Amino acid sequence: AQSVSQHNHHVILSEAASLELGCNYSYGGTVNLFWYVQYPGQHLQLLLKYFSGDPLVKGIKGFEAEFIKSKFSFNLRKPSVQWSDTAEYFCAVNGLGGTSYGKLTFGQGTILTVHP
Amino acid sequence: EAGVTQSPTHLIKTRGQQATLRCSPISGHTSVYWYQQALGLGLQFLLWYDEGEERNRGNFPPRFSGRQFPNYSSELNVNALELEDSALYLCASSWGGGGETDTQYFGPGTRLTVL
Repeated sequence: AQSVSQHNHHVILSEAASLELGCNYSYGGTVNLFWYVQYPGQHLQLLLKYFSGDPLVKGIKGFEAEFIKSKFSFNLRKPSVQWSDTAEYFCAVNGLGGTSYGKLTFGQGTILTVHP
Repeated sequence: EAGVTQSPTHLIKTRGQQATLRCSPISGHTSVYWYQQALGLGLQFLLWYDEGEERNRGNFPPRFSGRQFPNYSSELNVNALELEDSALYLCASSWGGGGETDTQYFGPGTRLTVL
């Protein structure tokens, strides 16, 4: 079975601060990894994804994430946040095999509040 | 390009009734996924349909069922509604097959309230 843990439930930052949201997963095989974002009043949107290759992936709006296989981690980063980044962020894993096939398992979400 | 669409936006039912939720995938996508986002439980995988067939199912009772039509749209049916079925139901679609580069794109959801 696959599982995902996000380290923080609620993060509060000021504009221009750096952001790192932690995500760890548990799965015994090959995985695809995703970060989704839900802005207030909007639906879940894809921020970035990792399938294979370069473990540092870049997404929309200046976000990036690094896959560290040995630590089963896929942390999300942004060097300088903006007020418009206020949203809830979800880490998700898709295990490629067995009963995990096609199934996204989500972390519990991290609410990011950015103060102007 | 139109995204995933879901209807209705809101649905209010009473306990014991049946609810039907609908989803239209992004054009060209053949896979449809259903998730439940209940308060305090997070996003949980319900069902995956691809090319009209159920491919995978989450840990939900059989009263949660669905189908996929030849045009790849999908219905989620919830029978014998219980109060704890109150949640946001999200539909997602992808190019299909659950393959190594498959990416799911989500719709706005249907808010189901069971009274």
